Amino acid sequence: NAGVMQNPRHLVRRRGQEARLRCSPMKGHSHVYWYRQLPEEGLKFMVYLQKENIIDESGMPKERFSAEFPKEGPSILRIQQVVRGDSAAYFCASSPRHREASSGNTIYFGEGSWLTVV
Amino acid sequence: SQQGEEDPQALSIQEGENATMNCSYKTSINNLQWYRQNSGRGLVHLILIRSNEREKHSGRLRVTLDTSKKSSSLLITASRAADTASYFCATATIQGAQKLVFGQGTRLTINP
Repeated sequence: NAGVMQNPRHLVRRRGQEARLRCSPMKGHSHVYWYRQLPEEGLKFMVYLQKENIIDESGMPKERFSAEFPKEGPSILRIQQVVRGDSAAYFCASSPRHREASSGNTIYFGEGSWLTVV
Repeated sequence: SQQGEEDPQALSIQEGENATMNCSYKTSINNLQWYRQNSGRGLVHLILIRSNEREKHSGRLRVTLDTSKKSSSLLITASRAADTASYFCATATIQGAQKLVFGQGTRLTINP
């Protein structure tokens, strides 16, 4: 059973370009979460999605950032007009149905996508 | 404000010794989890302790939870060089069960 798959693992973008990060959840998982980790810091929640729905985007910056989880295909975190401060590791995680998740089941993290803005 | 805060920020010990890391949090929680992160890698889930539990063991790991003090500790016994990593606590509230709030982490170095 493959784990949470993220790509690309490393991405370099120039200031002003767009970055697209992809996440395929574990098989059977319908909930996806994106977290950002700045250098030397812990992870910070960005957004929680189910298929075709954004459930909680309270951690998303108001501008330039968007996320989607379409009916088919991976979840995408999109960062437009990147700036140096966007350089970070972006982690995706997935979990099974909410009823199981709310009982305290683990969420599973991918290996992360490291974005460097030059 | 950050929910979980680990203490110490960095810890360096000799192989074979025990390592203890602490985590404090601010609000009521549903559960608390500990993760390990090797440099440049993703997070590996270590152990989850629910708010109605006080202690949990998994191999060389022992986690305690004191909800009255809003604190948790992670003990790694008989440390090995492979335990060198950053360790994070993460809390989940009842309202946002899977919206984990992470601390800043403890960087653990095991010297051979």
